[in-house]
Amino acid sequence: DTEVTQTPKHLVMGMTNKKSLKCEQHMGHRAMYWYKQKAKKPPELMFVYSYEKLSINESVPSRFSPECPNSSLLNLHLHALQPEDSALYLCASSPDGYYGYTFGSGTRLTVV
Amino acid sequence: DAKTTQPNSMESNEEEPVHLPCNHSTISGTDYIHWYRQLPSQGPEYVIHGLTSNVNNRMASLAIAEDRKSSTLILHRATLRDAAVYYCILSGGSNYKLTFGKGTLLTVNP
Repeated sequence: DTEVTQTPKHLVMGMTNKKSLKCEQHMGHRAMYWYKQKAKKPPELMFVYSYEKLSINESVPSRFSPECPNSSLLNLHLHALQPEDSALYLCASSPDGYYGYTFGSGTRLTVV
Repeated sequence: DAKTTQPNSMESNEEEPVHLPCNHSTISGTDYIHWYRQLPSQGPEYVIHGLTSNVNNRMASLAIAEDRKSSTLILHRATLRDAAVYYCILSGGSNYKLTFGKGTLLTVNP
């Protein structure tokens, strides 16, 4: 298995909702990432997990809450989002954080 | 993070070679040069990476200048499937992160 699987592919949520994005990989990669991508812009790093511990938070608002329950799974919990948070959310993993990142196809999130 | 500079866009014809340039004059000795590409409606895809020597793989070649202040991604025969945004990224040392710049939008004409 050489893929990063993200679910759901599309999500529409209200500003008062709570939802979660899920990311899974079975390549034995020890680093996992969340990126946010707005239309026609490059991906922006949000969080980095290394060996299941949060190692980097790029000053992301607390309405985004990451979780790494085990080495294969990464979640992003969403609460009280704003319409400007609408974007493509990408998950990635890498063997050791240096190279060979594998990205998922993303979850397209719309906040209404 | 060290910065890279790429042209906003480039055009190529199908089955011709493509040379995508990247300048990184502030590169440090421990920085690797990474290339990723993003096809429409997909996540980024790893293409190639290198440190000092030129590198080849099944997708592309990476030519690194002797002073490491610039590099060139070479697609030997462009296909329509190679139309994408190509990102040149520096990352290394104990830095567990990949920071994307604006990239180059490559258009391949039939």
